[in-house]
Amino acid sequence: GQSLEQPSEVTAVEGAIVQINCTYQTSGFYGLSWYQQHDGGAPTFLSYNALDGLEETGRFSSFLSRSDSYGYLLLQELQMKDSASYFCAVRDRGGKLIFGQGTELSVKP
Amino acid sequence: DAEITQSPRHKITETGRQVTLACHQTWNHNNMFWYRQDLGHGLRLIHYSYGVQDTNKGEVSDGYSVSRSNTEDLPLTLESAASSQTSVYFCASSEGTGRWETQYFGPGTRLLVL
Repeated sequence: GQSLEQPSEVTAVEGAIVQINCTYQTSGFYGLSWYQQHDGGAPTFLSYNALDGLEETGRFSSFLSRSDSYGYLLLQELQMKDSASYFCAVRDRGGKLIFGQGTELSVKP
Repeated sequence: DAEITQSPRHKITETGRQVTLACHQTWNHNNMFWYRQDLGHGLRLIHYSYGVQDTNKGEVSDGYSVSRSNTEDLPLTLESAASSQTSVYFCASSEGTGRWETQYFGPGTRLLVL
């Protein structure tokens, strides 16, 4: 089967750094994506890692270790607007995305 | 600008009725997907299509059907609505080659089955 695990909730203060972890078990792994969802709206794509290492896009970075079946999303200089749900998703051999259950990030002043 | 739209945005129906949710994208993407989102379950794949006349079952396909007659549209039909199908439904699309991991989502349809 295929499964992804990520924490259900994370709380941090404005200006801080937060890391959201994701571990996965899948057949035919092709890459790990991250999506953001505000208040139940449309999820939006943040980043994708196909190879081991760190990908940086502005304040957001994403890391992948294929040997450990593990990745994380790193958010720096947290802002109130970063309060949202964050989903990791694995691309399987058929090109479909399998999503984790999501991590709700609350940024406090 | 290219976009993906869903209609209706909100729907209330009764148990046993047939319901169709529309999804229309102007990205000219080959791949289209339907998900449902329930509290504690994240996004679960219902059906997907890799092109015209192609449809495939996802993780939670029972009670749902889709058809793909053109590139732009993938309507989702609930054959006989059940209370367990009360959910938020998202449609998404992605390119046919290359950036499979980047899916563009519609705004969602909130369905209540009474």
